[in-house]
Amino acid sequence: DIQMTQSPSSLSASVGDRVTITCRASQGISNHLAWFQQKPGKAPKSLIYAASSLQSGVPSKFSGSGSGTDFTLTISSLQPEDFATYYCQQYNSYPLTFGGGTKVEIK
Amino acid sequence: EVQLVESGGGLVQPGGSLRLSCAASGFTFTNYEMNWVRQAPGKGLEWVSYISSSGTTIYYADSVKGRFTISRDNAKNSLYLQMNSLRAEDTAVYYCARTVVVVIDYWGQGTLVTVSS
Repeated sequence: DIQMTQSPSSLSASVGDRVTITCRASQGISNHLAWFQQKPGKAPKSLIYAASSLQSGVPSKFSGSGSGTDFTLTISSLQPEDFATYYCQQYNSYPLTFGGGTKVEIK
Repeated sequence: EVQLVESGGGLVQPGGSLRLSCAASGFTFTNYEMNWVRQAPGKGLEWVSYISSSGTTIYYADSVKGRFTISRDNAKNSLYLQMNSLRAEDTAVYYCARTVVVVIDYWGQGTLVTVSS
């Protein structure tokens, strides 16, 4: 199985900050990587697929990059509604596997 | 509007069974693959099972293989997860997720399964 490692596991940031989250795969997965946002008590929301493509309706302040084993999710200017937990997920092969999550908290 | 509505969760004793359902609307269900993903309380996301659009290809996580069965009824726009021999570690919110070419794009709101005596 492909292991997905996210870092950091949590971070504190202020409104307006630029935030970057890292995800590393245990083996090469091309660009078969997705990012999800989850707020407390809510279902995950799909943000990005193919490492850098935004899902429909997702604002352009979210961006993704990377290929192979190393990937990043960047939020260009953090807003109050962006405080949540973010997960990466590889879909290069089954079983699908998720990173452990990064909780973005208000500083 | 894409809607996925799970149901069937609840409290069950260890060793018991439950059948989860996911009602789909707002899109052509027969054109999409589907996945079940779960989340234990306070934990991260864990993939459970996959079914192709026709139902002919199915995968399971090792943790549920031999105990859970995924199925779909395209005439009823519904996805199912039959869960047998339930264990305490199966306690989680279970989400159905619409999938296109392996990419999850929409999630249901989830249904809570609690396995406890």
